[in-house]
Amino acid sequence: QVELQESGPGLVKSSETLSLTCTVSGGSIRNYYWSWIRQPPGKGLEWIGYMYDTESTNYNPSLKTRVTISVDTSKHQFSLKLTSVTAADTAVYFCARDPSASRGYFDSWGQGILVTVSS
Amino acid sequence: DIQMTQSPSSLSASVGDRVTITCRASQRISDYLNWYQQKPGKAPDLLIYAASTLQSGVPSRFSGSGSGTDFTLTISGLQPEDFATYYCQQTYSIPRTFGQGTKVEIK
Repeated sequence: QVELQESGPGLVKSSETLSLTCTVSGGSIRNYYWSWIRQPPGKGLEWIGYMYDTESTNYNPSLKTRVTISVDTSKHQFSLKLTSVTAADTAVYFCARDPSASRGYFDSWGQGILVTVSS
Repeated sequence: DIQMTQSPSSLSASVGDRVTITCRASQRISDYLNWYQQKPGKAPDLLIYAASTLQSGVPSRFSGSGSGTDFTLTISGLQPEDFATYYCQQTYSIPRTFGQGTKVEIK
């Protein structure tokens, strides 16, 4: 049973960079798509982007200029960096696994981490 | 971006009721449609993928149907643990987008 766990600062200052890590345990990090999704307090879900294995990335165009997702297979981790954050980036950030190359559904999720952007 | 619109936004129902939630895509997405359940303070759980395939371990009272632009999630015989918010998600194109959610509350 794969488990995912997000980690990182819960508070980031406006204009700085948000950096989160997702640690994968109980399963392989190779040959899967790994996504980040966020949810502002009381609101719906927004897909941020994914990285496939160590090969390719795809980002939400609305965030593309500010987002980088990377994978460290040796540490069984993948990471999210979001630059130039504002209050609008305050959200619970989830990492998730997509087991399907063609279907794109998320079958395993981390518990989520609340990141607050302060001024 | 493909817009996903769920209806209703919320509903009240009783234990044992049959509940139907609708999701409409702004363009055709074949069957690239997934459903998730989210309880307060928790991550979403996958219920159904590819419009009608039940995720392993999900009770059979959950079912999904549809293709193209119109999809439904049905809960046949609502249970106390089913009171939650439900989201649809399209994965036909990037960005992968979610509906706004449907909150199922106790009547």
